Amino acid sequence: EDQVTQSPEALRLQEGESSSLNCSYTVSGLRGLFWYRQDPGKGPEFLFTLYSAGEEKEKERLKATLTKKESFLHITAPKPEDSATYLCAVQADRGSTLGRLYFGRGTQLTVWP
Amino acid sequence: GAGVSQSPSNKVTEKGKDVELRCDPISGHTALYWYRQSLGQGLEFLIYFQGNSAPDKSGLPSDRFSAERTGGSVSTLTIQRTQQEDSAVYLCASSPQQVRDTQYFGPGTRLTVL
Repeated sequence: EDQVTQSPEALRLQEGESSSLNCSYTVSGLRGLFWYRQDPGKGPEFLFTLYSAGEEKEKERLKATLTKKESFLHITAPKPEDSATYLCAVQADRGSTLGRLYFGRGTQLTVWP
Repeated sequence: GAGVSQSPSNKVTEKGKDVELRCDPISGHTALYWYRQSLGQGLEFLIYFQGNSAPDKSGLPSDRFSAERTGGSVSTLTIQRTQQEDSAVYLCASSPQQVRDTQYFGPGTRLTVL
């Protein structure tokens, strides 16, 4: 069964303290891995898509990387406005619903000044 | 451009009542997905529409749940005889096509069943 596990469940960082969030996955053929950011009371906001091992993408203080078993979201010198829940999702290239996303439970990040 | 919109933003209903949730996808997007986010749980896939093809209903938790998409655009998710365990945030997403495309989410409808 396709599964996505995110760790840690919650992370508290001081402003400027860099860290990484982990997303490990088992899927019957990876079509894509997606990172989203979700603020309280809002829908997930797209951040990155990664398609193959070794791929990296960056946006401001965020950098996403992908291996054959996991993805990391690195946060460099975070600011309080980076506080949110970060969701990881995978899309399989086999199965009854090719486009559906399998989500992890998310990492709740809090950055304090 | 306009993103995915959903209505209502909040819905409180009594157990046993029927509810309808609406989703307006991004214009031109042919794929539309419904997900459910329960407290402490990850997003759970419910149903998928692609163009004029028959929907994939494999994620619907029971036959009390149904959805339709009219004219390849607006979608309505209907829950009949609501139960307390149906309380959750219902999220709609659309994408230009199916394969590899990013799914863009709406703000969700928070459903509370009393």
